[in-house]
Amino acid sequence: KNEVEQSPQNLTAQEGEFITINCSYSVGISALHWLQQHPGGGIVSLFMLSSGKKKHGRLIATINIQEKHSSLHITASHPRDSAVYICAVRQGGSNYKLTFGKGTLLTVNP
Amino acid sequence: DADVTQTPRNRITKTGKRIMLECSQTKGHDRMYWYRQDPGLGLRLIYYSFDVKDINKGEISDGYSVSRQAQAKFSLSLESAIPNQTALYFCATSDPTRTHEQFFGPGTRLTVL
Repeated sequence: KNEVEQSPQNLTAQEGEFITINCSYSVGISALHWLQQHPGGGIVSLFMLSSGKKKHGRLIATINIQEKHSSLHITASHPRDSAVYICAVRQGGSNYKLTFGKGTLLTVNP
Repeated sequence: DADVTQTPRNRITKTGKRIMLECSQTKGHDRMYWYRQDPGLGLRLIYYSFDVKDINKGEISDGYSVSRQAQAKFSLSLESAIPNQTALYFCATSDPTRTHEQFFGPGTRLTVL
């Protein structure tokens, strides 16, 4: 069993829809990262969080440490949001090692 | 200007050839990492370096070596490339005195024939 599981693996939405991507993990963590990877490969960090909720523009990330679960929400989705979204956890006791999920491929159609 | 750069961006090589992937950063971070990404798998850590004199193996270091030439430069070598090393390779940096957030380069797509 992977230590970091994302769902769904693939998600297709219509422009304007509210999107939720889920991440569950099985280890103790010190932080969780959400990353975005566009076609062409580049990876950008969206959020790093260890508790509660963070918001940046139309993106919202939440984490529930007790339930070992995080969600990434995109409000008013747009075709430019089409990308792979990757969840990664930094394990408790480590200040460098990230364990990555396999990613969620999001396609937003106009 | 990009903070983390990788060269080359794409490379096709043949089995048995030696190849070097280079990473440079202008972020002033001490920590640098090399990852590979394969379809259907998460990113996996190959090697990491906490400073010029501190280099460590990651989870999949077999068949790879690294060199930390300076704080800003971290190179990954495949001494004798094989087809299952065909993948997308990423360099990343982080600053442990701040947020531990990792900053990724644009990636190098390597194909070994």
